[in-house]
Amino acid sequence: AQTVTQSQPEMSVQEAETVTLSCTYDTSESDYYLFWYKQPPSRQMILVIRQEAYKQQNATENRFSVNFQKAAKSFSLKISDSQLGDAAMYFCAYRGLIQGAQKLVFGQGTRLTINP
Amino acid sequence: DAGVTQSPTHLIKTRGQQVTLRCSPKSGHDTVSWYQQALGQGPQFIFQYYEEEERQRGNFPDRFSGHQFPNYSSELNVNALLLGDSALYLCASSLPGLVLGNEQFFGPGTRLTVL
Repeated sequence: AQTVTQSQPEMSVQEAETVTLSCTYDTSESDYYLFWYKQPPSRQMILVIRQEAYKQQNATENRFSVNFQKAAKSFSLKISDSQLGDAAMYFCAYRGLIQGAQKLVFGQGTRLTINP
Repeated sequence: DAGVTQSPTHLIKTRGQQVTLRCSPKSGHDTVSWYQQALGQGPQFIFQYYEEEERQRGNFPDRFSGHQFPNYSSELNVNALLLGDSALYLCASSLPGLVLGNEQFFGPGTRLTVL
């Protein structure tokens, strides 16, 4: 079964600085997607960024970028120029095809605090 | 365009009772997934509905059941509630088809407390 591991329960960063959140996963599938979701205190899960496994180029979305290392099964999220609004729980998630195309497997989450 | 909506926002039940949670998908979406998120944990997949049928199920007991209506809205039912069922229940909707990249849009969740 696929598993997703986030080894950093909590992280903090100064406003305007850069922070990297770590994620590793385990799978035997070759075709899959990886996602980072943000869950603020309002509870609504919001997609931050996604990465297709067959694409070698790392995805970027404005201040958010990923470092996808397929061989190492690593998928880290870098947040540049951190803002107070970035404070939230961040979840790494996996979706493969063999186990069902729509099911997301989530990690345990990393709580990110932004210090003003 | 309304996003995914869920009701109620909060719910308090006692052990042994039954509960029904409701979800309306985002406009244009016909696939609904349910997740359970215990406090301090990541969401766990319960099941997914498409064309009014359960398409995939996670490792949850039969006490958890669901339904999808012709208008694509969905219900999650939990029977014989246990203290361990206390959690945030999230509904997510997506476009049809086994497309890996289809984004799942999440609702704000229903917080269930079992006393």
